[in-house]
Amino acid sequence: SQKIEQNSEALNIQEGKTATLTCNYTNYSPAYLQWYRQDPGRGPVFLLLIRENEKEKRKERLKVTFDTTLKQSLFHITASQPADSATYLCALAAGETSYDKVIFGPGTSLSVIP
Amino acid sequence: KAGVTQTPRYLIKTRGQQVTLSCSPISGHRSVSWYQQTPGQGLQFLFEYFSETQRNKGNFPGRFSGRQFSNSRSEMNVSTLELGDSALYLCASSLGQMDTEAFFGQGTRLTVV
Repeated sequence: SQKIEQNSEALNIQEGKTATLTCNYTNYSPAYLQWYRQDPGRGPVFLLLIRENEKEKRKERLKVTFDTTLKQSLFHITASQPADSATYLCALAAGETSYDKVIFGPGTSLSVIP
Repeated sequence: KAGVTQTPRYLIKTRGQQVTLSCSPISGHRSVSWYQQTPGQGLQFLFEYFSETQRNKGNFPGRFSGRQFSNSRSEMNVSTLELGDSALYLCASSLGQMDTEAFFGQGTRLTVV
C-alpha cells in the first residue's frame, strides 16, 4: 500500500545544532516533494519544493535533499533557533502528473531547546 | 495580497446535523483543495476543485461533498455528522499545477457533540 512516513513524532535538539528530519515513502513515484511548516492552530506554510531531477535545494538555513532511489527526502535546518520549533510536514503528489492530489506525511514535531 | 480565508473559524454541531464550510482562495488561484486534520490521522486529503470541477478525490464517504463557484470560492458540506468528524478542516489554494506552492487558510475547527 502507499505510505508516507516521517521520523519520530517528536524531535528535540539544542539551539545552534542542525536538525535533520526524514521523509520516506513507498509505492509512490512523485515528480516532486514539498516541505511545509505548521504552527499550532494554524494552517501549514510552504517552505521548499524539490523536483525528482534535483538532488539538493537550499533556502537560507534550510536544505532539502531528494533521493528517488532510496525513496527518501531529508530536511535540514542549520543553526537552529527556538523560533524553528514547529511541526514539519512533507508532501508529495500521489501520481505522476502535475495535477495529482497532494498527500501529506504525518509530520515531525521539532522542539529547539535554548 | 489577501490570503486564503476560511469561515467560520469555529463550529459546534450535534450528531446527525449537517454543516457547510467556506473557503475563499487567493485572487487568481483556480485550485482549491480540502483537507481534514486530526491528531491521530494527520492531514487527510478530501478533494480538490479546479475551475468548478472536482479534479481529485480522497477516500472519504459520500457524506463529504464540495463544490466550487465561478469566482473560485469553494464550499464543503458534511451531512449526517458523526463524532469522528470532529477535526480541523483546512483548505489550500494554488494556481492549479500541483508542483506549485499551496497556500493554506487558518482552518475551521469543527466539534461534533
